[in-house]
Amino acid sequence: QSALTQPPSASGSPGQSVTISCTGTSRDVGGYDYVSWYQQHPGKAPKYLIYEVKKRPSGVPGRFSGSKSGNTAYLTVSGLQAEDEADYYCSSYAASNNLLFGGGTKVTVL
Amino acid sequence: QVQLQQWGAGLLKPSETLSLTCAVYGGSFSNYYWSWIRQSPGKGLEWIGEINHSGRTNYNPSLKTRAAILVDTSKNQFSLNLNSVTAADTGVYYCARGGSTPMVLPFWGQGTLVTVSS
Repeated sequence: QSALTQPPSASGSPGQSVTISCTGTSRDVGGYDYVSWYQQHPGKAPKYLIYEVKKRPSGVPGRFSGSKSGNTAYLTVSGLQAEDEADYYCSSYAASNNLLFGGGTKVTVL
Repeated sequence: QVQLQQWGAGLLKPSETLSLTCAVYGGSFSNYYWSWIRQSPGKGLEWIGEINHSGRTNYNPSLKTRAAILVDTSKNQFSLNLNSVTAADTGVYYCARGGSTPMVLPFWGQGTLVTVSS
């Protein structure tokens, strides 16, 4: 199965919002509410930000939010801060107990 | 606090077998699935597979024929063997713990760089 589709890059100025899309199919993103989002800084392991489409683990700032429409999930980062500059990956449960990741989106804070 | 510490050989020749182990400290070992994920240089993440404490496994279909994930509950460890490696298997390999919902990965190891080169 192919990876989920994310834009390679996104950017915004401090204080602005940026939204990243993650497109799959009805057999993964569209078929289950098990979409997660991860943040990865260079040389570090990924850190999970969102699970089950829109739930935030404790400790994750409220300016990170998730949503889904059809076969596409979204991560919105509001009030961009310098430390938000990182790579962001979506993931989704897929049929037959498989896990798919997106190709990643590099977010730049201008 | 849950911590995952991983180790294994970092340099392999083509056709050899990649072997990595991940030790889990803190938290329950029996209530979760334990995963391996890899990241090729400059590329995205790829899920390899997972195992639970009773040895039940799920694999990425694209790696199923070459990957084997094992568990040692007496040591709170799990391991990955990937046979017949090629240069395409070069990358950073991570172990991770699952969460209370399917296929979410709240806790990750530090990563191990594996290079396949003749």
